[in-house]
Amino acid sequence: EVELLESGGGLVKPGESLRLSCAASGFRFDTYAMGWVRQAPGKGLEWVSGVSDDGVAKYYADSVKGRLSISRDNSRNTVSLLMDGLTAEDTAVYYCAKFRGGTYRHYHFDSWGQGTLVTVSS
Amino acid sequence: SFVLTQPPSVSVAPGQTASVACGGSNIGSKSVHWYQQKAGQAPVLVIYDDSGRPSGIPERFSGSNSGNTATLTISRVEAGDEADYYCQVCDNDNDGNWVFGGGTKLTVL
Repeated sequence: EVELLESGGGLVKPGESLRLSCAASGFRFDTYAMGWVRQAPGKGLEWVSGVSDDGVAKYYADSVKGRLSISRDNSRNTVSLLMDGLTAEDTAVYYCAKFRGGTYRHYHFDSWGQGTLVTVSS
Repeated sequence: SFVLTQPPSVSVAPGQTASVACGGSNIGSKSVHWYQQKAGQAPVLVIYDDSGRPSGIPERFSGSNSGNTATLTISRVEAGDEADYYCQVCDNDNDGNWVFGGGTKLTVL
């Protein structure tokens, strides 16, 4: 059974940094792309970042480009999201999700973690 | 980036059929995926590649995609289907940039 367990969320002040982690199990981690999706309180889903199975290709939504950095460690079955220069607009539940699909157009998220809450407030 | 438009809400009586629309320019040329999110829970994939159904998802859930509208159809709606539903596509077939619709709240009357 696929399990994705996020950690690292919490309360931070504007301008500060935070690192989220996601521990994966139940599948061959190094053969799947992974991503992060966030959901602001009372709002919809927003894809923020993705990384290829080998960690080489990295993707970011325009709204976070330059401030977020995704990485993965296939030896530890973990994917991380480093967030710099946080603002109140980054306040959200951040979900780790497993990609599935042969090509970009078919990529979808077939498994999700339970999410970790990031609150940015002074 | 590609914009997906969903109605904010849809209401349906138990046992009836619910249709949730997802609009976008020539969306019929893209692969559309659908997620169900119940209150306080993580999203769950219910339809992939327009009409594929993951294991464990009831046959009552189906999808279609043509022209400028993709549709999620839920037959014989049950109280447990009450949730937010989101559509998702890849913005650019040659690069990674994925987009969600704004979500539709399905209310079972």
